[in-house]
Amino acid sequence: NAGVMQNPRHLVRRRGQEARLRCSPMKGHSHVYWYRQLPEEGLKFMVYLQKENIIDESGMPKERFSAEFPKEGPSILRIQQVVRGDSAAYFCASSSAGPLSEQYFGPGTRLTVT
Amino acid sequence: GQQVMQIPQYQHVQEGEDFTTYCNSSTTLSNIQWYKQRPGGHPVFLIQLVKSGEVKKQKRLTFQFGEAKKNSSLHITATQTTDVGTYFCPIAAGNKLTFGGGTRVLVKP
Repeated sequence: NAGVMQNPRHLVRRRGQEARLRCSPMKGHSHVYWYRQLPEEGLKFMVYLQKENIIDESGMPKERFSAEFPKEGPSILRIQQVVRGDSAAYFCASSSAGPLSEQYFGPGTRLTVT
Repeated sequence: GQQVMQIPQYQHVQEGEDFTTYCNSSTTLSNIQWYKQRPGGHPVFLIQLVKSGEVKKQKRLTFQFGEAKKNSSLHITATQTTDVGTYFCPIAAGNKLTFGGGTRVLVKP
């Protein structure tokens, strides 16, 4: 039973480029969450999605960031025109029930903006 | 919004010793979860506590939910090097888990 999968594991982008992070939830999970983690800090909630719907995006920056979870395929976190401050680890998690149930995290994507 | 404070921020433990880390909330919680993140790794779910005064054990780990459901503790006995990592107790409320800074555990062999 494969866990949550994320790719790429490491991503290097120059300032101004776009970053696309992918997340495939655990089989049978329809709830997906994205978190950002800066070094030596806790995880910050970004967005909660179910298939084809954004349920809560209260943690997403207003500009340049977007997320989707299409009917088919992985969830995508997209960062346009990246800046150095976007450098962080981005974790995706999934759950079988809603956000109050246990969440299973993927290995993360380490984004470095040069 | 709801916030959780974890103490201590850092815990240096001699291998074989016991230690406890605490989570404190300013508001009553419906439930609390515990996660462990190894250095360079991702958070891994450990346990969820729901009932007032609930105590759950996993081998050398004992989790407790306070009677007032405002705090929780994790006690580890006979610490091993495999216990190294950061332990988080995010609050599950609304549509999200809200993480604090965690307790970073370092084990001295």
